[in-house]
Amino acid sequence: KQEVTQIPAALSVPEGENLVLNCSFTDSAIYNLQWFRQDPGKGLTSLLLIQSSQREQTSGRLNASLDKSSGRSTLYIAASQPGDSATYLCAVGTGANNLFFGTGTRLTVIP
Amino acid sequence: NAGVTQTPKFRVLKTGQSMTLLCAQDMNHEYMYWYRQDPGMGLRLIHYSVGEGTTAKGEVPDGYNVSRLKKQNFLLGLESAAPSQTSVYFCASSYTAGVSNQPQHFGDGTRLSIL
Repeated sequence: KQEVTQIPAALSVPEGENLVLNCSFTDSAIYNLQWFRQDPGKGLTSLLLIQSSQREQTSGRLNASLDKSSGRSTLYIAASQPGDSATYLCAVGTGANNLFFGTGTRLTVIP
Repeated sequence: NAGVTQTPKFRVLKTGQSMTLLCAQDMNHEYMYWYRQDPGMGLRLIHYSVGEGTTAKGEVPDGYNVSRLKKQNFLLGLESAAPSQTSVYFCASSYTAGVSNQPQHFGDGTRLSIL
């Protein structure tokens, strides 16, 4: 069974810092990897999706990388803002219908 | 621009009661999913559907039933609620699965407490 781990569980940074969130997975046979954002009491918003054949995806201040062979992905957030405060979830798609989630990193950006 | 809509948003039940959670999507997606999210655990797949009239079990299906009578709707039922089913339930949908560039789109969740 696919296991997805996110480290750290929580992170606090001052506004303006660049930061990296980590995700690791145990089975490299994946279809894709998605990064989501979850605000308190809300659903999940898809931020970036990296297909298994890709190495990275970028959207604005966000950049996600994928290294399938080592079972790792990182989400890089540049010039963090208080509005970036949320929980960030990593999810690995391993087949036609399965999306395996990590437990998330709770990010707080301090003004 | 509704996307995925879940009703109700909150519900409190007593042990043994039954209820149905409704998920509706307006994106003409073929695939729909039900997940539960518990503290300290990642989201886990309960059931999913690959099209109208079809359903299948996910990772944690026990105690739940589902139906997909219409393409846009996916219902999750609890026949006899138990305290262990206290959770936040999320519905998601996607165009297809097994196609690596199709993300899942999520609703805002249903917070369910079983007393």
